[in-house]
Amino acid sequence: ETGVTQSPTHLIKTRGQQVTLRCSSQSGHNTVSWYQQALGQGPQFIFQYYREEENGRGNFPPRFSGLQFPNYSSELNVNALELDDSALYLCASSLGGGNEKLFFGSGTQLSVL
Amino acid sequence: EDKVVQSPLSLVVHEGDTVTLNCSYEVTNFRSLLWYKQEKKAPTFLFMLTSSGIEKKSGRLSSILDKKELFSILNITATQTGDSAIYLCAVVDYGNNRLAFGKGNQVVVIP
Repeated sequence: ETGVTQSPTHLIKTRGQQVTLRCSSQSGHNTVSWYQQALGQGPQFIFQYYREEENGRGNFPPRFSGLQFPNYSSELNVNALELDDSALYLCASSLGGGNEKLFFGSGTQLSVL
Repeated sequence: EDKVVQSPLSLVVHEGDTVTLNCSYEVTNFRSLLWYKQEKKAPTFLFMLTSSGIEKKSGRLSSILDKKELFSILNITATQTGDSAIYLCAVVDYGNNRLAFGKGNQVVVIP
C-alpha cells in the first residue's frame, strides 16, 4: 500500500459531460503526476504538478486540466468527455519534481457511454 | 519521442518455472529505467536501474540493464501464483519529468 488514495474508484459518464477525479498524495510527497491507462496499454503521461504549478504535460488536449492544492492533493478535470476517454486514470506521487520513483494509487476507472 | 517495447506481451507458465521478460527502449537522453508490477490496478515499484551491468535483486526477482544495446531484462525464478500480474517497464529522459511506459508483459502462473 503506497498511501496514495484516489476517488472515486469507478465512474460512469456520458459523452459531452465533465468529470473531476481526486488524488491525495503520500505523506511528505510534494509532486503529483497523472497517467491514463487504456485497456491493454501502458500508462500514458498526462501532466505533473510540483508545488501547485504544472511541471510538464504529455500529448493530451486542453480539455484535460488539473490543479494541485497547498496540501499537495490534486484534481484531474476532463471536459467534453469522449468515448476514447474511457480508461483507468492513475495518480502517482513523488518527492521532488525530478524524482522518477513514483508511488501509484489504485486509480479511477472511468467509463464514457 | 521515447519508445519502449516489451516482449513477450503475454505468457503462461507453471509454478516453479523461470520467467524472463524483455524491455527494449529508445530515448534521447537516458536517465533511468524502472520496472513496476501491476496486479489489479495500482502499479507497485520493483526496480530502478541507471547503470549497465549491475544486477538488482529482490527475493526471486532480479533485473539488469544494458545501456549499450538499449534493453533490460526482468527475471522471476521459482514462480508462484502470486507472481501473476502485468509487469510494466518505463524509461525516463533527462529532458522531462515523465515515465514512458511499454504495453507491459502479462504473466499468468498456473498451479
